[in-house]
Amino acid sequence: AQSVSQHNHHVILSEAASLELGCNYSYGGTVNLFWYVQYPGQHLQLLLKYFSGDPLVKGIKGFEAEFIKSKFSFNLRKPSVQWSDTAEYFCAVNVYSGGGADGLTFGKGTHLIIQP
Amino acid sequence: GAGVSQSPRYKVAKRGQDVALRCDPISGHVSLFWYQQALGQGPEFLTYFQNEAQLDKSGLPSDRFFAERPEGSVSTLKIQRTQQEDSAVYLCASSSSGEANEKLFFGSGTQLSVL
Repeated sequence: AQSVSQHNHHVILSEAASLELGCNYSYGGTVNLFWYVQYPGQHLQLLLKYFSGDPLVKGIKGFEAEFIKSKFSFNLRKPSVQWSDTAEYFCAVNVYSGGGADGLTFGKGTHLIIQP
Repeated sequence: GAGVSQSPRYKVAKRGQDVALRCDPISGHVSLFWYQQALGQGPEFLTYFQNEAQLDKSGLPSDRFFAERPEGSVSTLKIQRTQQEDSAVYLCASSSSGEANEKLFFGSGTQLSVL
């Protein structure tokens, strides 16, 4: 079974700082990769996803992530964070099984706090 | 509806009690997922429906957990004889197709506390 590791459980940054949240997964085959975000008091929502093509994907609110297959990584980045980026961030993976949907495997999450 | 709706928002149960959690997916969404999220953890997959068919229930932790989606829309997750370790947030998510790379829309969850 696949697993997802998020290296930082809590990150505190100042506004305008650059952000990189690490995510590694364990599965040798074809995968779909996702970052979901949960803002305070809100439900989980998709930030961005990768399933094929350009390994650098761009999502909402200026976030991007790079899929590096050789490193089994899908790190999330943002060049300049804002106070409103304070949230819980989850990396997730599912295994490409030839067309059918499958349950996502989530990491434990990174709690990001942006100080004004 | 505008989004995925879950009820109740909070549920307190005495140990041994049965509970039923409801999920109303976005209208027309084919796929429906249930996840369990313990405090400080990421969501863990429980089960998956495509329309009314339960295609994967490998994540259900025991035979006390049962899910159904009889008409391919609303789904109910039932937990019998609840135990303290069942305390968690139960999330429902839906997507418009059965594709693995499809975006999931999550509900706000039901927070279950078993005393």
